[in-house]
Amino acid sequence: DSGVTQTPKHLITATGQRVTLRCSPRSGDLSVYWYQQSLDQGLQFLIQYYNGEERAKGNILERFSAQQFPDLHSELNLSSLELGDSALYFCASSVGPIMNTEAFFGQGTRLTVV
Amino acid sequence: DAKTTQPNSMESNEEEPVHLPCNHSTISGTDYIHWYRQLPSQGPEYVIHGLTSNVNNRMASLAIAEDRKSSTLILHRATLRDAAVYYCILTWGSNYKLTFGKGTLLTVNP
Repeated sequence: DSGVTQTPKHLITATGQRVTLRCSPRSGDLSVYWYQQSLDQGLQFLIQYYNGEERAKGNILERFSAQQFPDLHSELNLSSLELGDSALYFCASSVGPIMNTEAFFGQGTRLTVV
Repeated sequence: DAKTTQPNSMESNEEEPVHLPCNHSTISGTDYIHWYRQLPSQGPEYVIHGLTSNVNNRMASLAIAEDRKSSTLILHRATLRDAAVYYCILTWGSNYKLTFGKGTLLTVNP
């Protein structure tokens, strides 16, 4: 158990809908990272927050947004869903910026868009 | 992002040592070398990281070449549970993310 909690574990929704994925980082970790993993793209970095502020952005679509709340949990919002958004979404957390520390990953949320 | 090169796949036998190579010829002086692995249907898991000196922990050892252009992850006695995709990743101070490549798929034979 990494200490990072992601909910829900599975999500099935229809195209055009909106969903929210939730991540609770390990106790004491200030950084939260979101990744998308699909079969053809591998693990793609989406976005990172540090203590409530956005720190880095990757290939995150405009239809996707995220935030980190004062209690440090984070939510990833995916809207106008398309079939191609079906993927595993991982959240990770670390104490500080990733340079010289380890990140802990959750078990992921499997999103299926039908 | 500084690039790493890993073999697509490797095979090992149970209880034998495994040496997973990684080339990073464009590494700079402040880049850290990280290794993560991903077991089937699970999130990535931290294995080890280092800067210049060799590192050991309960999971593995990291051997870093003197010129730092390559490194090797050493699993001292492979078990079936070590079958996973292993990723070698570089990070540096202003970079706030782990950039995963395709990694090396390690198969462990009983």
